[in-house]
Amino acid sequence: DAEITQSPRHKITETGRQVTLACHQTWNHNNMFWYRQDLGHGLRLIHYSYGVQDTNKGEVSDGYSVSRSNTEDLPLTLESAASSQTSVYFCASSKRRMGELFFGEGSRLTVL
Amino acid sequence: AQSVSQHNHHVILSEAASLELGCNYSYGGTVNLFWYVQYPGQHLQLLLKYFSGDPLVKGIKGFEAEFIKSKFSFNLRKPSVQWSDTAEYFCAVNESNQGGKLIFGQGTELSVKP
Repeated sequence: DAEITQSPRHKITETGRQVTLACHQTWNHNNMFWYRQDLGHGLRLIHYSYGVQDTNKGEVSDGYSVSRSNTEDLPLTLESAASSQTSVYFCASSKRRMGELFFGEGSRLTVL
Repeated sequence: AQSVSQHNHHVILSEAASLELGCNYSYGGTVNLFWYVQYPGQHLQLLLKYFSGDPLVKGIKGFEAEFIKSKFSFNLRKPSVQWSDTAEYFCAVNESNQGGKLIFGQGTELSVKP
């Protein structure tokens, strides 16, 4: 079955370190998204991509970057981790640009 | 600012009670509307969606939602909740003028007492 997987599922890191969260989907969806989930804020869009070599900033993109070198993967990089980036991160993909999203299991990141 | 608002942050109900969760959005273009559910410790799953047609849409597990365009609302309802409905519920909207990005409300935590 097609799916979307995130790794690592849990990570603890220190302030200032670079961290990369992986997202891999096997649906061949063009559209991929990264969200963070925080209590009281729901899900907020970090970055998104509508295809290979396409990346766009979401509402909370500062301190994060993404790259899209193939259809299947959209890794999220925290250039210099900060405690404010402690959160649960969800990757998602969709077949149609305004269609439903399919979510990964989430990656819980703790920055000490 | 364009946004999605969920009026209730935490709702507590007893089993068999009726549920209505409010959702309003402020986008003016063509919209697609969604309700997602997140059970404790799990990822988000689609509960129901509205793209066009009948404004009353039915989803999984007995949930339904009504799109009222004049009120910019998409409220979620269930006639009789169960303990297993305990979860967080998110309303989400994507709008044609926003390039299709899915924007979420803050979420409503539902606790159902057995």
